[in-house]
Amino acid sequence: GESVGLHLPTLSVQEGDNSIINCAYSNSASDYFIWYKQESGKGPQFIIDIRSNMDKRQGQRVTVLLNKTVKHLSLQIAATQPGDSAVYFCAETRGSARQLTFGSGTQLTVLP
Amino acid sequence: DAGVIQSPRHEVTEMGQEVTLRCKPISGHNSLFWYRQTMMRGLELLIYFNNNVPIDDSGMPEDRFSAKMPNASFSTLKIQPSEPRDSAVYFCASSSPGQREEAFFGQGTRLTVV
Repeated sequence: GESVGLHLPTLSVQEGDNSIINCAYSNSASDYFIWYKQESGKGPQFIIDIRSNMDKRQGQRVTVLLNKTVKHLSLQIAATQPGDSAVYFCAETRGSARQLTFGSGTQLTVLP
Repeated sequence: DAGVIQSPRHEVTEMGQEVTLRCKPISGHNSLFWYRQTMMRGLELLIYFNNNVPIDDSGMPEDRFSAKMPNASFSTLKIQPSEPRDSAVYFCASSSPGQREEAFFGQGTRLTVV
């Protein structure tokens, strides 16, 4: 069935290192992808998005890569900081649908 | 704008009682979503409104759940009667018309049914 899933449930990185969080999706019709960050006790917060007509998009310290051939999405965080510790979700939608389907999330822990 | 506002932040109720969760979307947004988050099932879409009209309620668990959007600035999610398995964090989100579909989330309501 349709699903958006994550490769790893947890990821620990040293402060200052780069982080890479991965996500797989199964529906080839998915055409819009978003990464959200959720801190404890808060709602998901938008980080960066990408459309299927692109394979890379950069923001401030974050880069999203999209590989449509293998239906894989990744979020790269440069120079990871303690404030980056959170759960990261990928989400997707397709066509005219506005509702998002979320993956299961990856817990990122930044070690001092 | 203050963002999506949900109330209450926390709700503890006894099994069998009626629970009403409230949401005020961001002004100008025409899509509103109710999500439920649990450890076991993650973030699940319950229902989605567009221009105050329910578009997709396939995620609503059962008849005990109902949602309304009487106007563009207010929505409710009601559970009657509540059960312990309804315990979760319920999020409301809204998004604006146009090409981008990013949804802005509220802080959530943590519901505990005992």
